[in-house]
Amino acid sequence: DAKTTQPPSMDCAEGRAANLPCNHSTISGNEYVYWYRQIHSQGPQYIIHGLKNNETNEMASLIITEDRKSSTLILPHATLRDTAVYYCIALNSGGYQKVTFGIGTKLQVIP
Amino acid sequence: DAGVIQSPRHEVTEMGQEVTLRCKPISGHDYLFWYRQTMMRGLELLIYFNNNVPIDDSGMPEDRFSAKMPNASFSTLKIQPSEPRDSAVYFCASSFTTGDTEAFFGQGTRLTVV
Repeated sequence: DAKTTQPPSMDCAEGRAANLPCNHSTISGNEYVYWYRQIHSQGPQYIIHGLKNNETNEMASLIITEDRKSSTLILPHATLRDTAVYYCIALNSGGYQKVTFGIGTKLQVIP
Repeated sequence: DAGVIQSPRHEVTEMGQEVTLRCKPISGHDYLFWYRQTMMRGLELLIYFNNNVPIDDSGMPEDRFSAKMPNASFSTLKIQPSEPRDSAVYFCASSFTTGDTEAFFGQGTRLTVV
């Protein structure tokens, strides 16, 4: 699985969009980009994933660059409850699914 | 489905004692993962199973740790003997086989070895 790189921390004002970047320059053609988050003391929670196209769901939007070497998770209107550690993962579409996490980005939403 | 269920939620034990952590995955899921989380090392994958078979246990720290999955609805992670450095939050997760799917995590077991 490709290595991902994220900034260790970010701040965002409540009500504003939070844009969390992820670099995955060694991603292969069959690897999806997944985002999870972990709110303090809870288990990680799935947010969204994509392969090539941009994706949107009720939680967030995922923008993947055309060369697939980087992506951005967008929380359109951040709330205090979005304060969490966000993990970006590159995961193969087939074979054994070894879901491993890096350090992630600690997002602090500020009132 | 109630999600991935772990027990106990909290465990305090003395050094040298055996500890058993339990996990019930979501029904129908083919994969089961055990993770350990500490402030120093973050979220580490210890071992994962596919169709009850251990696939990769390279993350298991040492022989004191063992994991089993006797059937599709139950798994255990055992530490014997336990040491203070094993203190951590242990998470279990499960998912379907196909790549285009997400993993679901339990609420974790907070283990304290004194």
